[in-house]
Amino acid sequence: GAGVSQSPRYKVAKRGQDVALRCDPISGHVSLFWYQQALGQGPEFLTYFQNEAQLDKSGLPSDRFFAERPEGSVSTLKIQRTQQEDSAVYLCASRRGEGSIGNQPQHFGDGTRLSIL
Amino acid sequence: KQEVTQIPAALSVPEGENLVLNCSFTDSAIYNLQWFRQDPGKGLTSLLLIQSSQREQTSGRLNASLDKSSGRSTLYIAASQPGDSATYLCAVIDAGKSTFGDGTTLTVKP
Repeated sequence: GAGVSQSPRYKVAKRGQDVALRCDPISGHVSLFWYQQALGQGPEFLTYFQNEAQLDKSGLPSDRFFAERPEGSVSTLKIQRTQQEDSAVYLCASRRGEGSIGNQPQHFGDGTRLSIL
Repeated sequence: KQEVTQIPAALSVPEGENLVLNCSFTDSAIYNLQWFRQDPGKGLTSLLLIQSSQREQTSGRLNASLDKSSGRSTLYIAASQPGDSATYLCAVIDAGKSTFGDGTTLTVKP
């Protein structure tokens, strides 16, 4: 498909477990973004990659959250020692150009719904 | 810190009505503003993107305006249809990140 793909769609984990969420952006898209969306709220920015470089990680809530994009395409968001407050939908988006270019829309995946028991 | 507010939080209208959704932001130093639609359990679908140098964009029955000086954007939906029922989100975009409002949940009744 031509869209942003995220896997898994649903993830249930016990508190304290580590989880890894995957994002396949649209082929050739330079910019990749991760967001966290709580129920009934808008997405909150987590981190931004331009190719393989993580240019902004100011939104990551704690050092338990780690994101990587080693080859500038697929990205993984890892959460260590999960806690109940990590339960949310995690959305990935990609954009064709660099983040500072103003005329290109972000394209979103359907997200991963994470539930921590 | 950029803050984005959307009013109303929820809106219910009969089919065929024209309606306006509002978005306000606190910092006018933005690159662009983007309106999205989100259906339950789904990701965000881009509707319109307005660059900071533009004042409006149109696509079909949708028209979005941007007034940077007052920190406001509106999304106008003409002749609403039941299929328009969804949550509408606006996002203001700085260099690398987007700040979203909490959305307006629209219900269009047949």
